[in-house]
Amino acid sequence: DAKTTQPTSMDCAEGRAANLPCNHSTISGNEYVYWYRQIHSQGPQYIIHGLKNNETNEMASLIITEDRKSSTLILPHATLRDTAVYYCIVRGDNQGGKLIFGQGTELSVKP
Amino acid sequence: GAVVSQHPSRVICKSGTSVKIECRSLDFQATTMFWYRQFPKKSLMLMATSNEGSKATYEQGVEKDKFLINHASLTLSTLTVTSAHPEDSSFYICSAQEGSQYEQYFGPGTRLTVT
Repeated sequence: DAKTTQPTSMDCAEGRAANLPCNHSTISGNEYVYWYRQIHSQGPQYIIHGLKNNETNEMASLIITEDRKSSTLILPHATLRDTAVYYCIVRGDNQGGKLIFGQGTELSVKP
Repeated sequence: GAVVSQHPSRVICKSGTSVKIECRSLDFQATTMFWYRQFPKKSLMLMATSNEGSKATYEQGVEKDKFLINHASLTLSTLTVTSAHPEDSSFYICSAQEGSQYEQYFGPGTRLTVT
């Protein structure tokens, strides 16, 4: 599995956009980029995933660079409830669905 | 998104006893379920992958005789921690997916404390 690198922690002001970066320079052509988040003492929550194109859903937007070596998760209007650890994971279709979690980014949204 | 439940949410047991944790997919059929363990302030560590009707595949370093996994149906997988010891105290989380190309949905986790 390709490894990912994320900042350990970030702060964001409530109501502003939170931009969470992720480096995955060894990603393979068939590997998708997945984002999950984990609020304290809960199970992880799926946010979004993509292969090459930018993706958007009701929770967030995912911007993947053209060379696919990095991506950014954007929470357009962060709220206090978005405080969580955000995990960027790369996963290929031929890996049986396994998700290997790194250390993630601890996002603190402040009033 | 899809719903995955776990039971119990918290359990306290005495050293030497066994504990069973259930993981259910409530509104979809899960061909594959995964079990993770998470220690305080640490990331999730994958323990094993289970496919319905077949034996689980364990990650390196995870004892299969200590962590028994049974994926008896497309909606239920169980993890039994046998002869539990205090070092087995942890947050155990399951996840489920319909197929390898689908996103995984996670349960709320089970907090196990072994005294």
